[in-house]
Amino acid sequence: NAGVMQNPRHLVRRRGQEARLRCSPMKGHSHVYWYRQLPEEGLKFMVYLQKENIIDESGMPKERFSAEFPKEGPSILRIQQVVRGDSAAYFCASSPQTNTGELFFGEGSRLTVL
Amino acid sequence: RKEVEQDPGPFNVPEGATVAFNCTYSNSASQSFFWYRQDCRKEPKLLMSVYSSGNEDGRFTAQLNRASQYISLLIRDSKLSDSATYLCVVNIASSASKIIFGSGTRLSIRP
Repeated sequence: NAGVMQNPRHLVRRRGQEARLRCSPMKGHSHVYWYRQLPEEGLKFMVYLQKENIIDESGMPKERFSAEFPKEGPSILRIQQVVRGDSAAYFCASSPQTNTGELFFGEGSRLTVL
Repeated sequence: RKEVEQDPGPFNVPEGATVAFNCTYSNSASQSFFWYRQDCRKEPKLLMSVYSSGNEDGRFTAQLNRASQYISLLIRDSKLSDSATYLCVVNIASSASKIIFGSGTRLSIRP
């Protein structure tokens, strides 16, 4: 049973470009969370999704950031017109059911904006 | 005020020592609590859940005090491999299962 798969593991973008980060949850998991971690800081909640629904996006910036979890395929975190401050590790986690707090994390996608 | 607060450390203790971390949370509606461990540049991994009655897993003991809204983690007979960042995690179920991580407490075990 494969774990949470994230790709790309490392992504380099120039300011103004778009970044797309993908996350495939564990088999049987229908809940996906995205977190951002800046260097030497903790994980910041961004968004919580279920299949085809955004449940809570209160941690996501209103501009340039969007997330989706389609019926088929991985969850996508999209960052448009990236800026240097977007450089961070983006972790995806999945859960088999809601309200447990037991999350299974992917290895993260490290975005570097030049 | 942060929703989940932890002392960032670092805690630097000798091998074999006992070390304890505390974590406080602000939302009284919080329903479930966890400790995660994160190694440098790795993903967080669940260490243990925290139950109201307190629970133990080998050298690790977790306790919850709902009245004072804090959680603790005790590590006995610490090993070099315990060096990591320990994250306090709170599930605020009233807001559609928002799971909030503390900033973490860094622990370094020296030989």
